[in-house]
Amino acid sequence: DGGITQSPKYLFRKEGQNVTLSCEQNLNHDAMYWYRQDPGQGLRLIYYSQIVNDFQKGDIAEGYSVSREKKESFPLTVTSAQKNPTAFYLCASSLDSPWEGYTFGSGTRLTVV
Amino acid sequence: EDQVTQSPEALRLQEGESSSLNCSYTVSGLRGLFWYRQDPGKGPEFLFTLYSAGEEKEKERLKATLTKKESFLHITAPKPEDSATYLCAVLGGGATNKLIFGTGTLLAVQP
Repeated sequence: DGGITQSPKYLFRKEGQNVTLSCEQNLNHDAMYWYRQDPGQGLRLIYYSQIVNDFQKGDIAEGYSVSREKKESFPLTVTSAQKNPTAFYLCASSLDSPWEGYTFGSGTRLTVV
Repeated sequence: EDQVTQSPEALRLQEGESSSLNCSYTVSGLRGLFWYRQDPGKGPEFLFTLYSAGEEKEKERLKATLTKKESFLHITAPKPEDSATYLCAVLGGGATNKLIFGTGTLLAVQP
């Protein structure tokens, strides 16, 4: 079955450490997205990519970085510059023009310890 | 600017008590309106897509409708397992090719 896989499900980060969240899809979707979700704030777009080797900043890109070397993969790195990284992170994918909406992964919960 | 507003923020129902969730939108050239269900600690799960005013779609106890300004998600005789956050999103006709999400309605159905 086609789908989108995020790993790990839970991740703990120490102060000053970079961590990378994985997102892989086998839906043959062109576009991929990273969102951050905090209680009461809805989904906030971090980065998105509509084609391999190209990506754009979303509304809250500071302290995050991404790469899109393969169509199937869109990893997100949370850097030490992100001062408040504790959140639930969601990856999504869609057709180039998302008229069928997004397919979401199951999420990664990141906690700073 | 494209905008999506969902109301109420939270809704508590008794089992069997029907109600509706609202999604109001401001967008230039609607290309699609989407409803998702999200359970705690999980990713949003697709429910419906509506493309034009007057369109309706149903799934079990849920029915989504669309007008030129808003969409309703009607829940008929809800059960406790319908408890979740319901998200609405729109795809506009402008240059941006991304969905615009509302902040969701948290539904709690008590037995």
